[in-house]
Amino acid sequence: QVQLQESGPGLVKPSQTLSLTCTVSGGSISSGSYYWSWIRQPAGKGLEWIGRIYTSGSTNYNPSLKSRVTISVDTSKNQFSLKLSSVTAADTAVYYCASEYCSGGSCYPDYWGQGTLVTVSS
Amino acid sequence: SYELTQPPSVSVSPGQTARITCSGDALPKKYAYWYQQKSGQAPVLVIYEDSKRPSGIPERFSGSSSGTMATLTISGAQVEDEADYYCYSTDSSGAVVFGGGTKLTVL
Repeated sequence: QVQLQESGPGLVKPSQTLSLTCTVSGGSISSGSYYWSWIRQPAGKGLEWIGRIYTSGSTNYNPSLKSRVTISVDTSKNQFSLKLSSVTAADTAVYYCASEYCSGGSCYPDYWGQGTLVTVSS
Repeated sequence: SYELTQPPSVSVSPGQTARITCSGDALPKKYAYWYQQKSGQAPVLVIYEDSKRPSGIPERFSGSSSGTMATLTISGAQVEDEADYYCYSTDSSGAVVFGGGTKLTVL
């Protein structure tokens, strides 16, 4: 069973770039059936899908965040990363990384990291 | 943008059947998935592809889909099932969306 662990700063200043890394263990990030995704959840609110990346580097992003999001992958380290630019207080949330299993034309998160709280504040 | 609509809350007594619905225009052609999120924890997949149950998920959890509505059913709900439940799906363009979540109270 794959395990995922988020890491990165817990505090980011407004207008700066949020950067998080997800380390995958118990399986290869190069596995053909998997995408790797980021999902966030503001306190007391619902889940918001940010985007996903395939091992080849192909990405899909939430249209509402696309202009500010970059997801990248480092297969040598079995890691993938999130960068969110020009952050505001509205980007304060728990950020989860997840593996997305793809089958029959659909992909869905199956395993999740524990989540990491990122606060945007000066 | 595509939306999945869930009731904000559902309440049942222990042993009763809880049904949580998820409405979306693309559901006739797209699978629904369901996640359970207990307080302070990461979400856990409880139903995939409308009605399939991952290993380790109790048999009391089941899913169905008809037309524009998917339903998560918990037969004989237990106190430990109290959690937020989210549906997940995509629209015809591939846009990914979660429902707004349903708080299940079992008391």
